[in-house]
Amino acid sequence: AQKVTQAQTEISVVEKEDVTLDCVYETRDTTYYLFWYKQPPSGELVFLIRRNSFDEQNEISGRYSWNFQKSTSSFNFTITASQVVDSAVYFCALGVVDYKLSFGAGTTVTVRA
Amino acid sequence: DTGVSQDPRHKITKRGQNVTFRCDPISEHNRLYWYRQTLGQGPEFLTYFQNEAQLEKSRLLSDRFSAERPKGSFSTLEIQRTEQGDSAMYLCASSPTGDSGYGYTFGSGTRLTVV
Repeated sequence: AQKVTQAQTEISVVEKEDVTLDCVYETRDTTYYLFWYKQPPSGELVFLIRRNSFDEQNEISGRYSWNFQKSTSSFNFTITASQVVDSAVYFCALGVVDYKLSFGAGTTVTVRA
Repeated sequence: DTGVSQDPRHKITKRGQNVTFRCDPISEHNRLYWYRQTLGQGPEFLTYFQNEAQLEKSRLLSDRFSAERPKGSFSTLEIQRTEQGDSAMYLCASSPTGDSGYGYTFGSGTRLTVV
């Protein structure tokens, strides 16, 4: 069975602070995909990134960066210089077979001006 | 293409009533998924279709739930004899198959409140 754990329920920061969201996953499969999604108050899940299990390179996209470490089964997400528009719920997800996703419980990020 | 559309956005119903939700996927996507998201939780897989064939149903999908995707286009999710525990956001997503199978596009969801 697959499992995704996001231990942080809520994080509150002041604008321009960096914020790191933790994600730990469990699977016995050697081939899998990891994802991060953003869910703003409107409710729609917005895709941020997908990584496969064979690519451990860290990735940076603007103010967003991701750290994938298979040794610790973690796929952490950092927002640098946070902005109020970053306020949302962020979900980490794991995909193994048939394109189904297993989501974590989410981390609510609040960025205060 | 305007993405994945779900209708209605909100639905309030009395316990015991039947409700039906509709999802219109991206037209070239063969796969369509239904997920349920309760308050404070991540989305949970309910079922998915490859074209018109329903290939898998989660055990979360009790016999009061039925989903269809006639002609492999739009899909409907019906809940019969609704219960308060059915209150949740119902999310639809579509994706292509093959290597891009994880290229999900989610709709904005239908929020169901059972009173």
